[in-house]
Amino acid sequence: DQQVKQNSPSLSVQEGRISILNCDYTNSMFDYFLWYKKYPAEGPTFLISISSIKDKNEDGRFTVFLNKSAKHLSLHIVPSQPGDSAVYFCAAPRDDKIIFGKGTRLHILP
Amino acid sequence: DTAVSQTPKYLVTQMGNDKSIKCEQNLGHDTMYWYKQDSKKFLKIMFSYNNKELIINETVPNRFSPKSPDKAHLNLHINSLELGDSAVYFCASSPGVYSNQPQHFGDGTRLSIL
Repeated sequence: DQQVKQNSPSLSVQEGRISILNCDYTNSMFDYFLWYKKYPAEGPTFLISISSIKDKNEDGRFTVFLNKSAKHLSLHIVPSQPGDSAVYFCAAPRDDKIIFGKGTRLHILP
Repeated sequence: DTAVSQTPKYLVTQMGNDKSIKCEQNLGHDTMYWYKQDSKKFLKIMFSYNNKELIINETVPNRFSPKSPDKAHLNLHINSLELGDSAVYFCASSPGVYSNQPQHFGDGTRLSIL
């Protein structure tokens, strides 16, 4: 039962353009969401989070948008840089655990 | 000065063997976790310990036994390894049990069963 879904396994974006990574969830009880970034052969690292009482959170080039009625969130990266090439995981806490999506691999093209 | 370190990074062994993976964190966190990332790339929680006490055991076979000698260490021992145990295992830590606190991950141990 996938409660956190990332339906795009991969995404390619030109350097300098905007990258938009999407995430859908099924559990309306989720009240907090996190995005993690993962490079090959490394562990995931925390990137940005958002509480369900907000619809937007911004940190530098990274902005997360939350649409509760659609049970959808998205991570925007602008401008995209080569170092942004990684796998991005959407995650939501539930019962002292974190439920992770399957990840989206972002390729930034030169 | 790695925050969460796990050893070994790679582990290749035969079916039926017993192996251990070690994890240490120097962040002063109270809570530590073990995750499994399988071939389908899902990251799934296996265990969670808070101050050396088990708080989450996510229906993992009892061949897997975590041990926390102190709050900075959480080791994972696996008995009678099976082919399906091949995966990347990640250790993580967080300040406390509240799961909206970002977790810090180790770099993973890739376990391959021959």
